[in-house]
Amino acid sequence: NAGVTQTPKFRILKIGQSMTLQCAQDMNHNYMYWYRQDPGMGLKLIYYSVGAGITDKGEVPNGYNVSRSTTEDFPLRLELAAPSQTSVYFCASSAGTGISGANVLTFGAGSRLTVL
Amino acid sequence: AQSVAQPEDQVNVAEGNPLTVKCTYSVSGNPYLFWYVQYPNRGLQFLLKYITGDNLVKGSYGFEAEFNKSQTSFHLKKPSALVSDSALYFCAVRALTPGRRALTFGSGTRLQVQP
Repeated sequence: NAGVTQTPKFRILKIGQSMTLQCAQDMNHNYMYWYRQDPGMGLKLIYYSVGAGITDKGEVPNGYNVSRSTTEDFPLRLELAAPSQTSVYFCASSAGTGISGANVLTFGAGSRLTVL
Repeated sequence: AQSVAQPEDQVNVAEGNPLTVKCTYSVSGNPYLFWYVQYPNRGLQFLLKYITGDNLVKGSYGFEAEFNKSQTSFHLKKPSALVSDSALYFCAVRALTPGRRALTFGSGTRLQVQP
């Protein structure tokens, strides 16, 4: 059971570079999320998706883009990387938001990004 | 808007003693409430949730949490702490209303259990 797979685990970027964080899940979950975790700040929602072809902004979307062309994949694109984007990024998925599935998220192991 | 407060950055407890990790929340209407745990260099793992019904919820690894609507709290508890419980704990909330489909997380509380 792979669950939620994130790549890469670590990456160092120079200011102004771009990159894509990959996220894939094999649980046929409709809902997928990207969070960033900064020290002492908890997790902040960047973008989320309720199904293929549907995405929406979270609390901190500036500087990021997402796409959801398939149920399985939810890549996060960083354009023109800035030091403020240094963080640990977590992808997560869930079966749904009704009572039975009620937001039990399965998280990936995280991607640590440093922008210098 | 929905929010979660975890007032303690760190909780220290001796092995075998009871532990409590505090959480208060703010939402419009009735909440869904969750606890997640994060071990070093790992993603978050689900511990337990409150949706409706009994205010005392039991979860994984012997943890439980008590929902208190009047105090808008959802404190995590365990009767007897283990060294292996040392980790970062996150409380999360979501309103039952449609439209807001994602969880809001607290800032986390680091639990240190001393042998």
